[in-house]
Amino acid sequence: QSVLTQPPSASGTPGQRVSISCSGSSSNIESNYVYWYQQLPGTAPKLLIYRNNQRPSGVPDRFSGSKSGTSASLAISGLRSEDEAHYYCAAWDDSLSGPVFGGGTKLTVL
Amino acid sequence: QVQLVQSGAEVKKPGASVKVSCKASGYTFTNYAMHWVRQAPGQRLEWMGWINAGTGNTKYSQKFQGRVTITRDTSARTAYMELSSLRSEDTAVYYCARDDTICPDVWGQGTTVTVSS
Repeated sequence: QSVLTQPPSASGTPGQRVSISCSGSSSNIESNYVYWYQQLPGTAPKLLIYRNNQRPSGVPDRFSGSKSGTSASLAISGLRSEDEAHYYCAAWDDSLSGPVFGGGTKLTVL
Repeated sequence: QVQLVQSGAEVKKPGASVKVSCKASGYTFTNYAMHWVRQAPGQRLEWMGWINAGTGNTKYSQKFQGRVTITRDTSARTAYMELSSLRSEDTAVYYCARDDTICPDVWGQGTTVTVSS
């Protein structure tokens, strides 16, 4: 089954900019939109970025998404303590005919 | 506002079936598809399948084909996911999530299903 690859952890200090990568393939990221979700402990995922770089209303512009080829990135600027969470990327996979998810990145704010 | 409210936690024995419900509000139910995604402890999110709430057409992940059935009741604005022949590896949090063209946007709060003898 196709999956997306993320680093298991990332960290930064308050005010810093951090970036989380998501690596896929031609059947998912390269040919379809990428989505990003934030998951706080014990809660459901929340949509952060949709269609590569769009923010839903209510999501601060500190969060941004980009895509190039078979990879995508989520950037968080002006890091805050409340950003400490797990972050997941997702994309439609043409082979699966369904969405695939990354393994998640645990962001720690030092 | 758009909201998905799922049924409560379940404890099942191996070999049994479980049916989870997901009641939608705040949008036109039949205009969107609904995904079902699960998350086993310490594991990644895993897509199980989806249903076009308007037509009732479904698509299942090959991994769950034959064991999962997704249905909907348009009058009740509710989607359902039934998983049969449960085993311990099916212990997970099960989420419904509205579709944004190809991936989920709004998620339910999750339903914990525990499979234990």
